[in-house]
Amino acid sequence: SQQGEEDPQALSIQEGENATMNCSYKTSINNLQWYRQNSGRGLVHLILIRSNEREKHSGRLRVTLDTSKKSSSLLITASRAADTASYFCATDAGGTSYGKLTFGQGTILTVHP
Amino acid sequence: NAGVTQTPKFQVLKTGQSMTLQCAQDMNHEYMSWYRQDPGMGLRLIHYSVGAGITDQGEVPNGYNVSRSTTEDFPLRLLSAAPSQTSVYFCASSTRDSSGNTIYFGEGSWLTVV
Repeated sequence: SQQGEEDPQALSIQEGENATMNCSYKTSINNLQWYRQNSGRGLVHLILIRSNEREKHSGRLRVTLDTSKKSSSLLITASRAADTASYFCATDAGGTSYGKLTFGQGTILTVHP
Repeated sequence: NAGVTQTPKFQVLKTGQSMTLQCAQDMNHEYMSWYRQDPGMGLRLIHYSVGAGITDQGEVPNGYNVSRSTTEDFPLRLLSAAPSQTSVYFCASSTRDSSGNTIYFGEGSWLTVV
């Protein structure tokens, strides 16, 4: 079963706009990670946020984590056509499950030039 | 630095045939894993290894075998292929470091079972 549920399933925006994707999960985590997947390619790691962190930035990416609500969001600012891809959240429970990721179903982002 | 290398990239099998998907990493990572991705879905964990000689089952292990004789290699064996195993397979490796546990993925292996 998929622990992560992502919302929305698909998002279509214009270049320059911001894109926000949400992820909810069910069990306790050690960290949460976001990945990008271009069509027909492997996954590329974007950002990792630990369970004791609330917000993290990397370039145009901003990730928040609310462990009380078991949810996370990924914000891409000033989007570009090259940001068109599927985005997945994945949780790592840590402990004996360290390194085992549980993925959400993903959000398909389309950025129109 | 090649990272995580998977072979083959594409494979067509007949039902009942067996095959091995190869995975190698050159980053000296202790953790390696195999995932499958079905259309419109995220990845699901098949098997997992925390080091040479140690493997564990993931969420969907049935029909697959793994072994980890070296740190670098983690092959995935399909014992008797079934159409339900048609999927894209990803190998991944990682290590514990100060940033947490960034996981590196291979480019994927597209498998079709007819």
